[in-house]
Amino acid sequence: SQQGEEDPQALSIQEGENATMNCSYKTSINNLQWYRQNSGRGLVHLILIRSNEREKHSGRLRVTLDTSKKSSSLLITASRAADTASYFCATDEDRDSSYKLIFGSGTRLLVRP
Amino acid sequence: DGGITQSPKYLFRKEGQNVTLSCEQNLNHDAMYWYRQDPGQGLRLIYYSQIVNDFQKGDIAEGYSVSREKKESFPLTVTSAQKNPTAFYLCASRRVSTDTQYFGPGTRLTVL
Repeated sequence: SQQGEEDPQALSIQEGENATMNCSYKTSINNLQWYRQNSGRGLVHLILIRSNEREKHSGRLRVTLDTSKKSSSLLITASRAADTASYFCATDEDRDSSYKLIFGSGTRLLVRP
Repeated sequence: DGGITQSPKYLFRKEGQNVTLSCEQNLNHDAMYWYRQDPGQGLRLIYYSQIVNDFQKGDIAEGYSVSREKKESFPLTVTSAQKNPTAFYLCASRRVSTDTQYFGPGTRLTVL
């Protein structure tokens, strides 16, 4: 099952602009994580936000979480060509202690030099 | 990609053959996971293991099997019963008491 759905599916911006990606999910969660995947590679963890947090920052990344709307957003500021990748949200459901992650279908970001 | 290795990077299989994908980690993580990724899609969980000698089915376990005889190793066998095995396979591990998963570089399996 896929819980998280990202929006937009694809995003093309100019270097230096900000990129915003959104994620919606269906059930209650313990936390929501964002991962990055370069083409043909494994995923790299970017940031984790817990269900009792509303905003978190890490370098040029800003993540917000709205549990009432079951949605999250990832903002990348001052984007660089090296930020070109696919970005996935993943939720750790609140149902049990299995620590399974459910991934969305991803946003493909292209940053044009 | 951290301390997780997957081999081989590319794998070609004829229909009707079983193949085994390797996943090894030196992070001393207790939990390990196998995911499948189809083009343009997110990851779907195949199997996961939270301790040695124990594992659970994920969302798409049919046609796959795993073993967890050692903490460091979690091999995945794609059997001939898997109807559409061509995909990118990712292994991940997690330390108990944390929520972050660390991923290997992946194995791309193609059925000829």
